[in-house]
Amino acid sequence: DQQVKQNSPSLSVQEGRISILNCDYTNSMFDYFLWYKKYPAEGPTFLISISSIKDKNEDGRFTVFLNKSAKHLSLHIVPSQPGDSAVYFCAASVKTGANNLFFGTGTRLTVIP
Amino acid sequence: GAGVSQSPSNKVTEKGKDVELRCDPISGHTALYWYRQSLGQGLEFLIYFQGNSAPDKSGLPSDRFSAERTGGSVSTLTIQRTQQEDSAVYLCASSLMGQANEKLFFGSGTQLSVL
Repeated sequence: DQQVKQNSPSLSVQEGRISILNCDYTNSMFDYFLWYKKYPAEGPTFLISISSIKDKNEDGRFTVFLNKSAKHLSLHIVPSQPGDSAVYFCAASVKTGANNLFFGTGTRLTVIP
Repeated sequence: GAGVSQSPSNKVTEKGKDVELRCDPISGHTALYWYRQSLGQGLEFLIYFQGNSAPDKSGLPSDRFSAERTGGSVSTLTIQRTQQEDSAVYLCASSLMGQANEKLFFGSGTQLSVL
């Protein structure tokens, strides 16, 4: 049972435009959300996170938005750069209980120069 | 080392054989995780070690899978009598304290192919 879902396996965006990656979750107990970025033949690396007490967190070109009522979060990258081309994983966790992250299936972003 | 190190990077084995995958976490990190990513799937949690506590094995898919962490550092994931469905990238990660809002640092993974 996939508790974190990324329904778009791939996304192509022109350089300089905005990339929007979406993520939905089913478990209302999740209270911390993260995005990881993965290049080929490398492990995922942390990108940005958001606590459930917030609805927006911004770090440079990256902004994560959280809509708790819709159980939806999104990652905005603007302006997109060719170096952003990678697979992006959404992940969620709960503060109590098993200390592990639940990951989505990933979205492959391609930024076209 | 500076990051999480995994070995081997690639492993090809025959169905029914046992395999061992190794993970060296970041020095000083008390928490260690194993995940796997099968083709077209997300990262699937397997097992979690935190300090001297009993590991959380809730993600292990069958009793053919086991893991140990010696001396609170290096970890070995063992898969006995491998099956073709075990083919996946096995990722190890570590974090400083193992708290829920900590970011994980991942290794590059071991690509396991069971023929």
